[in-house]
Amino acid sequence: NAGVMQNPRHLVRRRGQEARLRCSPMKGHSHVYWYRQLPEEGLKFMVYLQKENIIDESGMPKERFSAEFPKEGPSILRIQQVVRGDSAAYFCASSPEGQGSGYTFGSGTRLTVV
Amino acid sequence: AQSVSQHNHHVILSEAASLELGCNYSYGGTVNLFWYVQYPGQHLQLLLKYFSGDPLVKGIKGFEAEFIKSKFSFNLRKPSVQWSDTAEYFCAVKGNDMRFGAGTRLTVKP
Repeated sequence: NAGVMQNPRHLVRRRGQEARLRCSPMKGHSHVYWYRQLPEEGLKFMVYLQKENIIDESGMPKERFSAEFPKEGPSILRIQQVVRGDSAAYFCASSPEGQGSGYTFGSGTRLTVV
Repeated sequence: AQSVSQHNHHVILSEAASLELGCNYSYGGTVNLFWYVQYPGQHLQLLLKYFSGDPLVKGIKGFEAEFIKSKFSFNLRKPSVQWSDTAEYFCAVKGNDMRFGAGTRLTVKP
């Protein structure tokens, strides 16, 4: 029973390129969450998705960032026209239906913008 | 939305010392409370959680936390730390979704 799978583990992009981060939730989990961890900072909530729906995107920057969780396939966090400030670790977590569920985290994708 | 405060940014202890990491939250509804640990270079792992019932929660690796509703606190404790406890510790509160504190870096000197 694989856990939350994120790929790639490391991603290097030049300024202005696009970054695509993938997250496959645990089997049976229908809720996906994306967090960003900046150096010396904690985890910042970005977006909460269920299949084909964005439930809460209050933590997403207004521009260049988007997320989706299609009916089939992994959740994708997309960053367009990356800038150096986007360099961070991006963690995905999933949980099953219902309240009172803890999250299971993936190993993260470390994005470096050069 | 809920918020979480962790007051200690970096704690340095010697092995066998006792540990207490503070966590306060704000949220108007029913909350679930969590502590996660992140070892260097790894992802977050669940240490313990509180949903209801006994406010003193036992977790893995000898950690425990006490939920004090009147103080909106959920402090993490361990009577005797080990070098292998060196990590970053995150308190989290789940209302509609989960929000994390800024984390406390624990360094245990051998």
